Amino acid sequence: GNSVTQMEGPVTLSEEAFLTINCTYTATGYPSLFWYVQYPGEGLQLLLKATKADDKGSNKGFEATYRKETTSFHLEKGSVQVSDSAVYFCALSDNSGAGSYQLTFGKGTKLSVIP
Amino acid sequence: DSGVTQTPKHLITATGQRVTLRCSPRSGDLSVYWYQQSLDQGLQFLIQYYNGEERAKGNILERFSAQQFPDLHSELNLSSLELGDSALYFCASSLGQGMDTQYFGPGTRLTVL
Repeated sequence: GNSVTQMEGPVTLSEEAFLTINCTYTATGYPSLFWYVQYPGEGLQLLLKATKADDKGSNKGFEATYRKETTSFHLEKGSVQVSDSAVYFCALSDNSGAGSYQLTFGKGTKLSVIP
Repeated sequence: DSGVTQTPKHLITATGQRVTLRCSPRSGDLSVYWYQQSLDQGLQFLIQYYNGEERAKGNILERFSAQQFPDLHSELNLSSLELGDSALYFCASSLGQGMDTQYFGPGTRLTVL
């Protein structure tokens, strides 16, 4: 079956530090890959996505590249801000049969950015 | 704001009771997905509906059921509630049933006492 593994948190960084959150996946088909972010007390927001190998998703300074050879989709940001403090979820969407593309999520990584 | 609405925001009830969670998808979206977020299990897919028909089931208990109505809103019914059902329940919607982006609602926090 499908699975997503992301680095355990929490991660604490100083403002303007470089961020990497590792994510690897296992899928039976050709999945699309996503990063969602959950701010305190809120729902999940799509941060970025990539639908095929070597695609790079980017948004708000965050980037992730779909690496099929290493089955990875690591999230990076060059300079984090306090407002980036949130929980980040890596997820994949794959055709599990009958045309359903439900998301399979990693366990989430909590990021805290301190001034 | 994703355009997906969920009511109620919070729900507190007792063991053995039954509750109904409601979700309205984004305008034009035909698919609705339900997910459960708990501390021990993380985010898990429960069930999907597409244009009124059940499309896929995930880790949904037999005590739970859902439906999607002709106006495309969806309801998740949870019965014979147990302490372990306490969680955040999210609804997401997407345009079709393929690899479209899923947009999440703000969630309903269920507390079973």
